[in-house]
Amino acid sequence: NAGVTQTPKFQVLKTGQSMTLQCAQDMNHNSMYWYRQDPGMGLRLIYYSASEGTTDKGEVPNGYNVSRLNKREFSLRLESAAPSQTSVYFCASTPDRGVGQPQHFGDGTRLSIL
Amino acid sequence: GENVEQHPSTLSVQEGDSAVIKCTYSDSASNYFPWYKQELGKRPQLIIDIRSNVGEKKDQRIAVTLNKTAKHFSLHITETQPEDSAVYFCAATISGNTPLVFGKGTRLSVIA
Repeated sequence: NAGVTQTPKFQVLKTGQSMTLQCAQDMNHNSMYWYRQDPGMGLRLIYYSASEGTTDKGEVPNGYNVSRLNKREFSLRLESAAPSQTSVYFCASTPDRGVGQPQHFGDGTRLSIL
Repeated sequence: GENVEQHPSTLSVQEGDSAVIKCTYSDSASNYFPWYKQELGKRPQLIIDIRSNVGEKKDQRIAVTLNKTAKHFSLHITETQPEDSAVYFCAATISGNTPLVFGKGTRLSVIA
């Protein structure tokens, strides 16, 4: 099993460009999450999807949109990239939102906005 | 919503010494507390977790303690080794209601 797979691993964009980060999991998990990680800020939740067909905002949703395409895939879109969105983006999944649900993370996407 | 504070932000210890990282949480309804280790350039990985009905849990050199009254939990690493050097994150969540809320991380350096 691959677990959680993120593509691409690295990307450089110019300000104003758009981009979609892809995430797929093969563990039959119901819930999926997008985080951004900045130095000294820990992991901050952007959006999450508790189950197929639902999405909810997290702590820092501004400038992002998400799509839960099916149970396996959860994509994150930057419509008009800004330098403040330079970060490492992690996708994660859990079986569901119940107690004691460790999150499984992907390897991350390193995104630079010039 | 939940807020998780983590201290210290950096910690240096000599190889073989113990390391302790502390986290406090704000919502008394939180009932699941995992710890993640993130090596440089890698994904966060779960190393240990504890639920609110347990006060302490151990796994070899790693232990976590939970004080529900004071709303804080701690990670203890004994006999530290250079490979323990990493960033450690604590997190908390309210069952079935909200995703994990993470602390800002502790960069642990084990000096040989």
